[in-house]
Amino acid sequence: DGGITQSPKYLFRKEGQNVTLSCEQNLNHDAMYWYRQDPGQGLRLIYYSQIVNDFQKGDIAEGYSVSREKKESFPLTVTSAQKNPTAFYLCASIADLSGNTIYFGEGSWLTVV
Amino acid sequence: GQSLEQPSEVTAVEGAIVQINCTYQTSGFYGLSWYQQHDGGAPTFLSYNALDGLEETGRFSSFLSRSDSYGYLLLQELQMKDSASYFCAVKGWGKLQFGAGTQVVVTP
Repeated sequence: DGGITQSPKYLFRKEGQNVTLSCEQNLNHDAMYWYRQDPGQGLRLIYYSQIVNDFQKGDIAEGYSVSREKKESFPLTVTSAQKNPTAFYLCASIADLSGNTIYFGEGSWLTVV
Repeated sequence: GQSLEQPSEVTAVEGAIVQINCTYQTSGFYGLSWYQQHDGGAPTFLSYNALDGLEETGRFSSFLSRSDSYGYLLLQELQMKDSASYFCAVKGWGKLQFGAGTQVVVTP
């Protein structure tokens, strides 16, 4: 079955470390997105990519980096510059420009220890 | 830029009807969609409106007025399992933005 796979589901980061969250999709979607969600809050856009080798900053890009070398992959790196990274991270993709039906991964919980 | 506003919380009893409003501002507009999220899980798709009017999907309906930059999600015959957060989302030029979410609490 087609879908989006995020890994790992749970991740612990020490202060000063960079960590990378994986997002892979086999839906042949062009556009992919990364969101951050804090407890009881909405989804805030970190980065998005509409095509391979191109990506744009969202509303809270500071302290994060991404790459889009392949259509099916959009990894997110949480750098040491992100001072408060503990959150739930969601990767999503859409089939077309309309935004009708957004496909989400299961999410990754990142905790700083 | 883009912004969406929706109420933070709504409480209702089982069997009741709840309406969640969403107003938006966006650069470019393709459509308004609605998602449900239970604690600890990923959002799941509920409904989508690209044109003005009402879309009905079982107990859930969604409405859009593009001229008013306004939409709503209607939850009918509320059940306990409907207790969750509900998000509206707008697709503009490139960005896909979500509202802050409305927590729906269903009581017996």
